[in-house]
Amino acid sequence: EIVMTQSPATLSVSPGERATLSCRASQSVNSDLGWYQQKPGQAPRLLIYAASTRATGIPARFSGSGSETEFTLTISSLQSEDCAVYYCEQYKDWPTFGQGTKLEIK
Amino acid sequence: EVQLVESGGGLVQPGGSLRLSCAASGFTFSTYDMHWVRQIIGKDLEWVSGIDTGGGTHYPGSVKGRFTISRDNSKNSLYLQMDSLRAGDTAVYYCTRGRDRTTLMDYWGQGTLVTVSS
Repeated sequence: EIVMTQSPATLSVSPGERATLSCRASQSVNSDLGWYQQKPGQAPRLLIYAASTRATGIPARFSGSGSETEFTLTISSLQSEDCAVYYCEQYKDWPTFGQGTKLEIK
Repeated sequence: EVQLVESGGGLVQPGGSLRLSCAASGFTFSTYDMHWVRQIIGKDLEWVSGIDTGGGTHYPGSVKGRFTISRDNSKNSLYLQMDSLRAGDTAVYYCTRGRDRTTLMDYWGQGTLVTVSS
């Protein structure tokens, strides 16, 4: 099983500032990496797939980068509606998820 | 618009069974792999089963032999039969669509809560 580790567990960022979330895989997943956003009481929503491709309807302030074992989700200018938990998922093998990063507004 | 609507959750005693259903609409159901993912309240996400377009099924070790995924393409429906349920199976269960024959989940239902307790 490929283990996904996200950091930090919680991140506080001021509105308009940049937020950087990290995800590490225990072995290479190439670029088979997705990012999801989950707001309270809602299902996860796909943001990014193939490590860096935005899903349909996702604002341009969300971007993904990385390959192999190290990945980053960047929100270039944080909006209040971006408060959520963010998960990464590898789909190179049977899927596994990171434990999530809770993004808060400072 | 893609929609996935789960049903069938509820309270069940340890050792009991439950069958979840997922009604799909807004896309050609038969041409997509489908999955079930669960989430212990407010915590980790765990993939619990997948079924491909040819009916091939896949499970992680934590549920293999206890859970059975199936699909009825004529009804645009996905199912999860859960047997020998344990307290650790308590979670919200999501029906999800696999993107481009991968296990990337591009659409999720709203989930149905399964509680295993005496």
